[in-house]
Amino acid sequence: AQRVTQPEKLLSVFKGAPVELKCNYSYSGSPELFWYVQYSRQRLQLLLRHISRESIKGFTADLNKGETSFHLKKPFAQEEDSAMYYCALSGQAGTALIFGKGTTLSVSS
Amino acid sequence: EAQVTQNPRYLITVTGKKLTVTCSQNMNHEYMSWYRQDPGLGLRQIYYSMNVEVTDKGDVPEGYKVSRKEKRNFPLILESPSPNQTSLYFCASSSAGQAFDEQFFGPGTRLTVL
Repeated sequence: AQRVTQPEKLLSVFKGAPVELKCNYSYSGSPELFWYVQYSRQRLQLLLRHISRESIKGFTADLNKGETSFHLKKPFAQEEDSAMYYCALSGQAGTALIFGKGTTLSVSS
Repeated sequence: EAQVTQNPRYLITVTGKKLTVTCSQNMNHEYMSWYRQDPGLGLRQIYYSMNVEVTDKGDVPEGYKVSRKEKRNFPLILESPSPNQTSLYFCASSSAGQAFDEQFFGPGTRLTVL
């Protein structure tokens, strides 16, 4: 069965500290992986996807098929990074997007 | 402005009273979807549509109906709402009829069923 696991409900870090939001997935084929972000009072929006291999707002994520993980990383957290982050998976059929339960990132000064 | 709109944004209703939440997008997207967001459960897909007149169930379709008569609209219908459908609902759309294209989300509809 397709499943996305985000083990941390809340991650609190200080400004300037490194950040890693964990995401593990279960899928029997080759999935497409995404990170979506929801800032306070804003709509859910795409942060990045593994196929584009880009860095957005200093965040990167590498797909590790051996460990079935897609952790989101940033070397130096900023207060404006505080938000809810969702890891999501789409299978080859491209019909559905499966979300994890989300991790709230809180960055304080 | 390219966007997904939902109406109403807030709704309080009573058990059993039929309601419809509208969703409209102006980006000519083929794929549209409905999600509900609950604390501790994240976003769960209710229904999706790959194109006009094509709809399919997501993970939690029970108690919901949808229709896709036009490309731009994808209303969510609760024929007989129950308190366990109290939730925050999001509509989303993406181009090219695939879920793995970037999905654009609406602002959300907060529904309370008493």
